[in-house]
Amino acid sequence: AQSVTQPDIHITVSEGASLELRCNYSYGATPYLFWYVQSPGQGLQLLLKYFSGDTLVQGIKGFEAEFKRSQSSFNLRKPSVHWSDAAEYFCATGRLGGYNKLIFGAGTRLAVHP
Amino acid sequence: NAGVTQTPKFQVLKTGQSMTLQCAQDMNHEYMSWYRQDPGMGLRLIHYSVGAGITDQGEVPNGYNVSRSTTEDFPLRLLSAAPSQTSVYFCASSYSRLLLQVVNTEAFFGQGTRLTVV
Repeated sequence: AQSVTQPDIHITVSEGASLELRCNYSYGATPYLFWYVQSPGQGLQLLLKYFSGDTLVQGIKGFEAEFKRSQSSFNLRKPSVHWSDAAEYFCATGRLGGYNKLIFGAGTRLAVHP
Repeated sequence: NAGVTQTPKFQVLKTGQSMTLQCAQDMNHEYMSWYRQDPGMGLRLIHYSVGAGITDQGEVPNGYNVSRSTTEDFPLRLLSAAPSQTSVYFCASSYSRLLLQVVNTEAFFGQGTRLTVV
């Protein structure tokens, strides 16, 4: 069965520091992978997605993620974090014909210190 | 475009009461889904629909009913609310892969409904 693991429940970084949020997936075939961000009291906004092709994916707000099949990972990165990036981040996976049936990780809550 | 609209935003129910969470989308999406979000568990799929008149169960369907009489609307019904259904509920919609002949799309989420059952 498909599953997504986000090992870090909480992460705190200083503003301007780099960020990496970890995501590991479990799926036999090529997965479809997504990163969503949820600001307090808000819905989910898609940051980026991977379906195929280039394993380094660029998203909105300066985020990128790299798909590594050998490590079953899809880590989210940002070179310089802004205070407005404080939010909860969810990694999710879907599958062909069922990308609307998303399987989410537990989420990583990011705090940004000034 | 309003996108995906959920009502109400907040609701408090007593155990045993029934209610319907509303979800509407104006993007002509065929796929619609309901998720619940609980702390430390991410979002879990309750029910989904691949088009009008077609629904199916997700990961946690017990205690919830859905129907899809139109493309735009996908209400979620709680027939007899229980404290275990206290959660934040999200509705999502997306295009059909078959319609677009591509797999490059995304799910759009509503703002959520925060439900408390006492």
